[in-house]
Amino acid sequence: AQSVSQHNHHVILSEAASLELGCNYSYGGTVNLFWYVQYPGQHLQLLLKYFSGDPLVKGIKGFEAEFIKSKFSFNLRKPSVQWSDTAEYFCAVTVSNDYKLSFGAGTTVTVRA
Amino acid sequence: NAGVTQTPKFRVLKTGQSMTLLCAQDMNHEYMYWYRQDPGMGLRLIHYSVGEGTTAKGEVPDGYNVSRLKKQNFLLGLESAAPSQTSVYFCASSYTDRVHEQYFGPGTRLTVT
Repeated sequence: AQSVSQHNHHVILSEAASLELGCNYSYGGTVNLFWYVQYPGQHLQLLLKYFSGDPLVKGIKGFEAEFIKSKFSFNLRKPSVQWSDTAEYFCAVTVSNDYKLSFGAGTTVTVRA
Repeated sequence: NAGVTQTPKFRVLKTGQSMTLLCAQDMNHEYMYWYRQDPGMGLRLIHYSVGEGTTAKGEVPDGYNVSRLKKQNFLLGLESAAPSQTSVYFCASSYTDRVHEQYFGPGTRLTVT
């Protein structure tokens, strides 16, 4: 079974700082990649997804992620964070013929005003 | 359109007690899922269903049972609760042709003492 690793457990930064969250997966075949976000007290929401094509994908709220196949990575980035980006971020993977999401452990992001 | 709803939101059980968590969706989704979320472990799939009357085991099915008697409902049962089942439980659903885009409910926080 594939596994998903998120490198950072907790990230603390100030508003306007840049954010990059790492995500690596273990499966060598064709994968679909996702980032979900969970704001405090809310349920998970899809932030962005990659199925095929341009490896740089843009999501909601100014987030983007880059798929680097050779590195088995799908890192999430935002050039300038806001206080409202405080949330827990989950990377998730499915293999091409499967619909079961495998989630990483999550990264808690705290943005200080 | 309520999306995915879960009942109850909070529950405290004593070891050995039983309970059922209810998930309902009004989006006519074929696929439904139950996850548990534990600190540092992300979300793990307990059971899932690809249609009314069908269920299948996920990553961590032991100690849980499920039923999908109606398309819009997916029930998760704990027959004899254990402290290891203290967790936050999330239900999700998705369309057949977009199974990777899962819509999540607000979660149920369960404590087993």
